[in-house]
Amino acid sequence: DIQMTQSPSSVSASVGDRVTITCRASQGISSWLAWYQQKPGKAPKLLIYAASSLQSGVPSRFSGSGSGTDFTLTISSLRPEDFATYYCQQANSFPYTFGQGTKLEIK
Amino acid sequence: EVQVVESGGGLIQPGGSLRLSCAASGFSVSSNYMSWVRQAPGKGLEWVSVIYSGDNTYYADSVKGRFTISRDNSKNTLYLHMDSLRAEDTAVYYCARSIVAAYYYGIDVWGQGTTVTVSS
Repeated sequence: DIQMTQSPSSVSASVGDRVTITCRASQGISSWLAWYQQKPGKAPKLLIYAASSLQSGVPSRFSGSGSGTDFTLTISSLRPEDFATYYCQQANSFPYTFGQGTKLEIK
Repeated sequence: EVQVVESGGGLIQPGGSLRLSCAASGFSVSSNYMSWVRQAPGKGLEWVSVIYSGDNTYYADSVKGRFTISRDNSKNTLYLHMDSLRAEDTAVYYCARSIVAAYYYGIDVWGQGTTVTVSS
């Protein structure tokens, strides 16, 4: 199975900050990666697919990059509604594993 | 409107069985990758199972041999039959649609989740 490792596990930031979350795959997955945002008590929401494509309706302050084994999710200027937990997921091969999550907290 | 609605969760004793249902609307379950993803209390997301391209299925090792995913195209409904339930199966179970073509388009439709609690 492909292991997905996110870093950091948690991060504190302020409104207006730029934040980057990293996801590393245990083997190459090309661009078969998606990013999700989850708020407490809610289902996850798709942000980025194919590593760098912005899902329709998602604000442009979110961006994704990377291919192979190393990927990043960047939020260019944090807004209050962005404080949540973020997950990456690989879809190169089954099982379609998720990273362990990164909790973005208000500083 | 494109959506999925799960049902069937509840409290079940260890060793018991339960069937989750996921009713889809606005799209066909038969022509999409349909998955179950779960989240234990206070934990991260865990991919559980998928059905795609006819009756192809795949399971996480943690549920293989105990869970069965299926779909009824006439009812446009996805199912997850869970046997030999364990305490560690306690979680919110999400039904999810993903699109896989030239790229992985991600899970773009999620249900609200149904809670399964395995406890005596």
